[in-house]
Amino acid sequence: DGGITQSPKYLFRKEGQNVTLSCEQNLNHDAMYWYRQDPGQGLRLIYYSQIVNDFQKGDIAEGYSVSREKKESFPLTVTSAQKNPTAFYLCASTGRDPTNTGELFFGEGSRLTVL
Amino acid sequence: EDKVVQSPLSLVVHEGDTVTLNCSYEVTNFRSLLWYKQEKKAPTFLFMLTSSGIEKKSGRLSSILDKKELFSILNITATQTGDSAVYLCAVTPLPGGSEKLVFGKGTKLTVNP
Repeated sequence: DGGITQSPKYLFRKEGQNVTLSCEQNLNHDAMYWYRQDPGQGLRLIYYSQIVNDFQKGDIAEGYSVSREKKESFPLTVTSAQKNPTAFYLCASTGRDPTNTGELFFGEGSRLTVL
Repeated sequence: EDKVVQSPLSLVVHEGDTVTLNCSYEVTNFRSLLWYKQEKKAPTFLFMLTSSGIEKKSGRLSSILDKKELFSILNITATQTGDSAVYLCAVTPLPGGSEKLVFGKGTKLTVNP
């Protein structure tokens, strides 16, 4: 079945460590996105990529990095520079649609806890 | 600044009740409004609305958009415990596409048996 797979589902890290969250999709979608969700907050865009080897910062990119070497994959690294990294991270994708009215397909998320 | 406000933030009802969730927005140029249901992890798509006054319906769920008053409602009739979830509203402004989506904080619906 087509979909988006995020891993790991749960992750614990110590302060000062970098961690990488994986996001893989087999939907043949061009665009991929990373969102952060905090309790009682809306989804906030971290980074997005509309094509391989290209990506742009979203609203809260500081302390994060991404790469897009393959169409299927869009890993997110949470660096030690991110001051408050404990959160639920959602990866999403969308296909090339001339109207592109905004429907996103989401993965099941990765919950990062910094100890 | 583009903004989406959902109300109420939290709602508890009994099975069989009808609920109405609200979403108001302020965007410079409106393109579409989307509703998602987030049960535990992955938000799943419910509706996309682009035109005023046209009701979208799926089973017991329905939604309508008012572009003049800048809001949308999501109705759920004969609620079931499986409807318990966070319902997210998001707006796509122009220009741009999905990268411009602005999300509300969500309404947490709890349906008790």
